[in-house]
Amino acid sequence: DAKTTQPTSMDCAEGRAANLPCNHSTISGNEYVYWYRQIHSQGPQYIIHGLKNNETNEMASLIITEDRKSSTLILPHATLRDTAVYYCIVSPIKAAGNKLTFGGGTRVLVKP
Amino acid sequence: SQTIHQWPATLVQPVGSPLSLECTVEGTSNPNLYWYRQAAGRGLQLLFYSVGIGQISSEVPQNLSASRPQDRQFILSSKKLLLSDSGFYLCAWSVPFQGLPYNEQFFGPGTRLTVL
Repeated sequence: DAKTTQPTSMDCAEGRAANLPCNHSTISGNEYVYWYRQIHSQGPQYIIHGLKNNETNEMASLIITEDRKSSTLILPHATLRDTAVYYCIVSPIKAAGNKLTFGGGTRVLVKP
Repeated sequence: SQTIHQWPATLVQPVGSPLSLECTVEGTSNPNLYWYRQAAGRGLQLLFYSVGIGQISSEVPQNLSASRPQDRQFILSSKKLLLSDSGFYLCAWSVPFQGLPYNEQFFGPGTRLTVL
């Protein structure tokens, strides 16, 4: 699976948009980009995924560059409850066992 | 709706003692099942996954083992715990890829294990 690189941590102001970058320069054509987040002492929670096109759901937006080598997760109006570790994961379509490999993630602190 | 249960929620065990953590899933059939471990301040490490009864794939060699005696039951075991086994153990499930083209995993509440 392609590896991802994310900033270790970032702060965000409550009510402002949070833009979380992820580099996946070795991504291949059959790999999805997934975003999960983990709030302290809980299991990770799926946020969004994408292949080529930008995606939006009730939680966030995912912007994937045209060459697919990087992406940005956007939390449009960050709240204190969005404080969590955010994981960017690249995994093949129909991966064996649907495995996901979690890296270090970005620790996001939303400040009042 | 689907739910996933793990127990116990917390566990304190002496070094060298055995371990058994259980995970069950309700509301789905033939799920893929996973065990992860998260050491303090670290990321998630996939330990085992299973695509069916009796089918276990190990990701990391260690003194842990996993079993899947029933379709929706996944057990993590050890004969002798080490200090390094301390951590937050998470069970997760997903629909087999034949059901969905992408992979969303659903995580349980976790078991916090302290080995003394």
